[in-house]
Amino acid sequence: AAGVIQSPRHLIKEKRETATLKCYPIPRHDTVYWYQQGPGQDPQFLISFYEKMQSDKGSIPDRFSAQQFSDYHSELNMSSLELGDSALYFCASSGRDRDLYEQYFGPGTRLTVT
Amino acid sequence: GESVGLHLPTLSVQEGDNSIINCAYSNSASDYFIWYKQESGKGPQFIIDIRSNMDKRQGQRVTVLLNKTVKHLSLQIAATQPGDSAVYFCAENDQAGTALIFGKGTTLSVSS
Repeated sequence: AAGVIQSPRHLIKEKRETATLKCYPIPRHDTVYWYQQGPGQDPQFLISFYEKMQSDKGSIPDRFSAQQFSDYHSELNMSSLELGDSALYFCASSGRDRDLYEQYFGPGTRLTVT
Repeated sequence: GESVGLHLPTLSVQEGDNSIINCAYSNSASDYFIWYKQESGKGPQFIIDIRSNMDKRQGQRVTVLLNKTVKHLSLQIAATQPGDSAVYFCAENDQAGTALIFGKGTTLSVSS
């Protein structure tokens, strides 16, 4: 079965640079969620989109923005990167084909800021 | 082996033992709970879920128990195998389509 795809899988950036992470949800899933997981931490919710509109917002810094496109893929844009932004970034998707409560996670993008 | 009551960050068991991982949730309005398994460097993998109108649900080798009175959730793994070694997270949700709130993970180590 198709899963959530994230790219790139690994990304190394320097402080103050920008980064763009991409997420391709499971086909027919219309809701995308972004989570950040620091080393040894539990995933923390950043932001979500339903039908291309922001649906929920968590602890996302103002330096970050995201959007969902007409094909339902989503991009997380991160600017003025800081060392503390180094983390795993997960995208999850859900859809009415199964159960909107069930969120399926991608493999993540490991961002390292030096 | 089991961690009963309070959440423990690590749990070590022998292959073939039954494991119990506990989780306390915070939102009494939560009506959906999930257990995820996360292996090193990978995304959380769905294991089993339960809705608040149930107190027990069984899957293949796994059982989730929900005690709404004390806001406690547990995951039981029968005949634990080395491949079960991972970090296990519980998560809660109070509305479909909204963010999951994750609990603190428990690292399960299974020795042969």
